[in-house]
Amino acid sequence: GESVGLHLPTLSVQEGDNSIINCAYSNSASDYFIWYKQESGKGPQFIIDIRSNMDKRQGQRVTVLLNKTVKHLSLQIAATQPGDSAVYFCAENSSGGYQKVTFGTGTKLQVIP
Amino acid sequence: GAGVSQSPRYKVAKRGQDVALRCDPISGHVSLFWYQQALGQGPEFLTYFQNEAQLDKSGLPSDRFFAERPEGSVSTLKIQRTQQEDSAVYLCASSQSGANVLTFGAGSRLTVL
Repeated sequence: GESVGLHLPTLSVQEGDNSIINCAYSNSASDYFIWYKQESGKGPQFIIDIRSNMDKRQGQRVTVLLNKTVKHLSLQIAATQPGDSAVYFCAENSSGGYQKVTFGTGTKLQVIP
Repeated sequence: GAGVSQSPRYKVAKRGQDVALRCDPISGHVSLFWYQQALGQGPEFLTYFQNEAQLDKSGLPSDRFFAERPEGSVSTLKIQRTQQEDSAVYLCASSQSGANVLTFGAGSRLTVL
C-alpha cells in the first residue's frame, strides 16, 4: 500500500547547528502531514503539522517545508540542542473521515555537545 | 487524566500465552488508536475506536488480536496465543473528535519468549 517512508538515516549534528530531516511520501491523496518526535522509552510526541494547501509552516525553532510536486517533506530545527536528540517520524493523514495516521520509519537525530 | 496511560509498561510472555494491554486515554477524547511498533520501525496502525465503536480494525495482523472499548473510555488490546513475532511496543493514542493531533502513551513493551 501507499506509505510515508524514511530510509532510516542517523543524522549527527553539532550542538547549535541547524538540522534538516527529510521525508518522502508516496500517497498523492495525503492532505495533512505531521512530524513526531520520539525519545527513548516514550511515545511519539507531536512537533508540528502542515496541510497540503501550504508549503511552509513555522513553529518555535522548527520549520516544516512541503513540496507536493516531488512529494517531499522536511523538518528544520534551528540551533539544535541536546534535548532534540530523538527519532523523528514524518506521518501523513488522508481525509477519510477520521484521523488515521500513517508513519514512516524514522530518522535518528544525534546532537553532539 | 493529564495524559494517555498504558499498562503494563513491560510484559514478558511465554509463547502461547494470552496477554492483555490496557489504555486509559485522555478524559473526553472520543478517538482512540492502537499502534504496533517493532524495534527500529515506525508505528503501524492496528485499530481505531470512536467512542465504543470499533470503526477500523484493518491493521490487526491476525484473528489472535482483539481490541475493545466497551464504555468508550478505557481500551484493552488482547493478544491470544502469543508468538515471537508479536514482540513489539504497543502504543495507544487518543484525540478529541475532529482533531488531527494524536496524543500517545508511553507504550507497552511486549516480549514473547
